[in-house]
Amino acid sequence: DAGVTQSPTHLIKTRGQQVTLRCSPKSGHDTVSWYQQALGQGPQFIFQYYEEEERQRGNFPDRFSGHQFPNYSSELNVNALLLGDSALYLCASSLGRGREQFFGPGTRLTVL
Amino acid sequence: AQSVTQPDIHITVSEGASLELRCNYSYGATPYLFWYVQSPGQGLQLLLKYFSGDTLVQGIKGFEAEFKRSQSSFNLRKPSVHWSDAAEYFCAVGANFGNEKLTFGTGTRLTIIP
Repeated sequence: DAGVTQSPTHLIKTRGQQVTLRCSPKSGHDTVSWYQQALGQGPQFIFQYYEEEERQRGNFPDRFSGHQFPNYSSELNVNALLLGDSALYLCASSLGRGREQFFGPGTRLTVL
Repeated sequence: AQSVTQPDIHITVSEGASLELRCNYSYGATPYLFWYVQSPGQGLQLLLKYFSGDTLVQGIKGFEAEFKRSQSSFNLRKPSVHWSDAAEYFCAVGANFGNEKLTFGTGTRLTIIP
């Protein structure tokens, strides 16, 4: 049973570019949450998707957007990249309003 | 708004010694509390969780945590640490049903010395 998978593992972009990160939830899960973890910090909640809709959003600008597909996989898009967007981006999946989020290994984004 | 404080940025413990990592939370209702562990370059692994009931919860790898409502704390303990326990530990609080956003502390880095 595959856990949460994310791609790519690492990514290097330059300021102003756009990036798309991908996440496949754990088998049987239908809810995907995205977190940003800056170096030396705890993860910060970006948003959560359920039934292909954004259900909850953290304190992130509109440059951060997402999508959930019918197969429950999800994408995180970041436009107009800033140096401060460099971080580990973590995807977590869960089942409906279940009580446990399972995390993927993350995508390390470096913005130069 | 919910928040988590982990007052210890870095803790060093000898192998075989006991461990306690501190976590204080702020949340207006009954909290859902979690401890996660993160090895370098890895994602987060859930160690244990508290939703309700018995205030002493057991987790994986021999860890346990105690919920103390009066102190707004959820400290993580282990009676005897192993070198493989060296990692970053995060305490988190969840909102409704535990499936809404998780708010994490800044983490405690654990170093194990022989």
